[in-house]
Amino acid sequence: KAGVTQTPRYLIKTRGQQVTLSCSPISGHRSVSWYQQTPGQGLQFLFEYFSETQRNKGNFPGRFSGRQFSNSRSEMNVSTLELGDSALYLCASTLAGGQGEQFFGPGTRLTVL
Amino acid sequence: GENVEQHPSTLSVQEGDSAVIKCTYSDSASNYFPWYKQELGKRPQLIIDIRSNVGEKKDQRIAVTLNKTAKHFSLHITETQPEDSAVYFCAGSLREKLVFGKGTKLTVNP
Repeated sequence: KAGVTQTPRYLIKTRGQQVTLSCSPISGHRSVSWYQQTPGQGLQFLFEYFSETQRNKGNFPGRFSGRQFSNSRSEMNVSTLELGDSALYLCASTLAGGQGEQFFGPGTRLTVL
Repeated sequence: GENVEQHPSTLSVQEGDSAVIKCTYSDSASNYFPWYKQELGKRPQLIIDIRSNVGEKKDQRIAVTLNKTAKHFSLHITETQPEDSAVYFCAGSLREKLVFGKGTKLTVNP
């Protein structure tokens, strides 16, 4: 099976812009989680989607949003970008959500100038 | 909400020695504790996990112990090798939300 894929891999934006990141889970996986990874804070949970519904949300401002499509692909959107949003954004998929191995994508490196 | 503390942030050992990484969690309802390894420039990968109804789990050179009363769990790597060098993340989970520690950078010196 193909692994989790994320597009784009690299992105450079300026403050105030918005960005959309995409994640395609492993075929058959219905749960997708998103994380922000920074050197100082490690992996921080953004949100989790299952069957097009957001089931869990982390402690991020409303500028961070996401959605999931019927084919389980997921997108996350960050509006009004700030310098502090520069990070590696990782998505991970699991078969049915719940507790089990999360398979991570390669990430999207976002740089905000 | 859940909070996971991880120590130490960096760890350097000689090849062949053991390495121990410790984590504490705040939510006593958490019942799933995975460990992920992230090599430089690569994505995190699960190396071992433990559920709250088990006190210890081993997989070759890797073991994890869980103390529910004290709300802490540890990763033990024996006979370390240079390829064990990576950042290790512990996590705690209640239902679908994984909360990660901030990571431990392990360096194994040949």
